[in-house]
Amino acid sequence: AQSVTQLGSHVSVSEGALVLLRCNYSSSVPPYLFWYVQYPNQGLQLLLKYTTGATLVKGINGFEAEFKKSETSFHLTKPSAHMSDAAEYFCAVTNAGNNRKLIWGLGTSLAVNP
Amino acid sequence: GAGVSQSPRYKVAKRGQDVALRCDPISGHVSLFWYQQALGQGPEFLTYFQNEAQLDKSGLPSDRFFAERPEGSVSTLKIQRTQQEDSAVYLCASSSHGLSDTQYFGPGTRLTVL
Repeated sequence: AQSVTQLGSHVSVSEGALVLLRCNYSSSVPPYLFWYVQYPNQGLQLLLKYTTGATLVKGINGFEAEFKKSETSFHLTKPSAHMSDAAEYFCAVTNAGNNRKLIWGLGTSLAVNP
Repeated sequence: GAGVSQSPRYKVAKRGQDVALRCDPISGHVSLFWYQQALGQGPEFLTYFQNEAQLDKSGLPSDRFFAERPEGSVSTLKIQRTQQEDSAVYLCASSSHGLSDTQYFGPGTRLTVL
């Protein structure tokens, strides 16, 4: 069975500082990996996804993530945090044989301090 | 429409009442998913449709939960005899048919059972 672990339910950074949100997954088959962001009272929005090919994936709003098979990780980073990045971030995994249903982590709440 | 829409956005029900939640997917999207998101948790898969066929309902928590998509477009999630533990945000997502296609989410319906 697939699973996702997000280390740190709350992360706080200063504006302009590096953002690092951790995601580790468990999958017996090649995974498809996703990061979604959820702003208050809004729906989930895709930040980026990894399916195949290049392991460093760039997404919207300056975010990127690197798929590391040996570490079973897909950590999300952004070089310089902006106040508008404050939100809930979810990592999710699926695979081709899984009816495409997403298996989700518990989420990480990102706070950005001025 | 431009995105996935859900109605109502908020629903308050008395314990024992039946509720119906509607999802309008992005036009032309073959796949439709329902997820349940409890407070402070990540989404949990409920059910999946490919066109009008319900291919996976393994996540439905009990036989009080029923979903349909009769014409392969709009979907309705029905909960009979609501219980307090049904209180959550119900998310609908749609995607094209490709294996790694992005799931686009609606804003969700927040159900509160008193």
